[in-house]
Amino acid sequence: DSGVTQTPKHLITATGQRVTLRCSPRSGDLSVYWYQQSLDQGLQFLIQYYNGEERAKGNILERFSAQQFPDLHSELNLSSLELGDSALYFCASSGGLAGLNEQFFGPGTRLTVL
Amino acid sequence: DAKTTQPPSMDCAEGRAANLPCNHSTISGNEYVYWYRQIHSQGPQYIIHGLKNNETNEMASLIITEDRKSSTLILPHATLRDTAVYYCIVRELNSGNTPLVFGKGTRLSVIA
Repeated sequence: DSGVTQTPKHLITATGQRVTLRCSPRSGDLSVYWYQQSLDQGLQFLIQYYNGEERAKGNILERFSAQQFPDLHSELNLSSLELGDSALYFCASSGGLAGLNEQFFGPGTRLTVL
Repeated sequence: DAKTTQPPSMDCAEGRAANLPCNHSTISGNEYVYWYRQIHSQGPQYIIHGLKNNETNEMASLIITEDRKSSTLILPHATLRDTAVYYCIVRELNSGNTPLVFGKGTRLSVIA
């Protein structure tokens, strides 16, 4: 158990819909990262937040957005969903007592868009 | 783009050492070599990292060549639970708060 929690574990929805994925980082970790893993693209970085502020952006679509709240949990919002958005979405955290070197990943949310 | 090259797949007999190579010929002086693994559809798991000296922890050993252009991750006694995709990642020193760039990794199959 990495200490990072993600909900829900599975999500099935239809094209055009909007969903919210939630992540709670390890206690004390200030950085939260979101990654997407699809069959054809592998693990891709989407966005990072540090202590409530956006720190870095990767291959994140304009239809996707995220935020980190004062209690450091983060949400990834995916809107106008397309079939190609079906993927595993992982959240990771770092920057706590374990130092800056490791990122700890959650178990992921499997999104299926029908 | 990932700065590393790894073989797409490898097999290893259970109980034997698994040696996973990684080429990082363009590594710069302030970059570390990190290894993560992903067991089927689970979140990636940190294994080990190093700069230029060999490193060992409870999971694995990391051997980095003197010119730092390649490295080998060693799982000394592979078990079936070590079957996973192993990712070799190069990151700058003090880049703990930066994202990881994953390549395609090596799919290790441990065979009974």
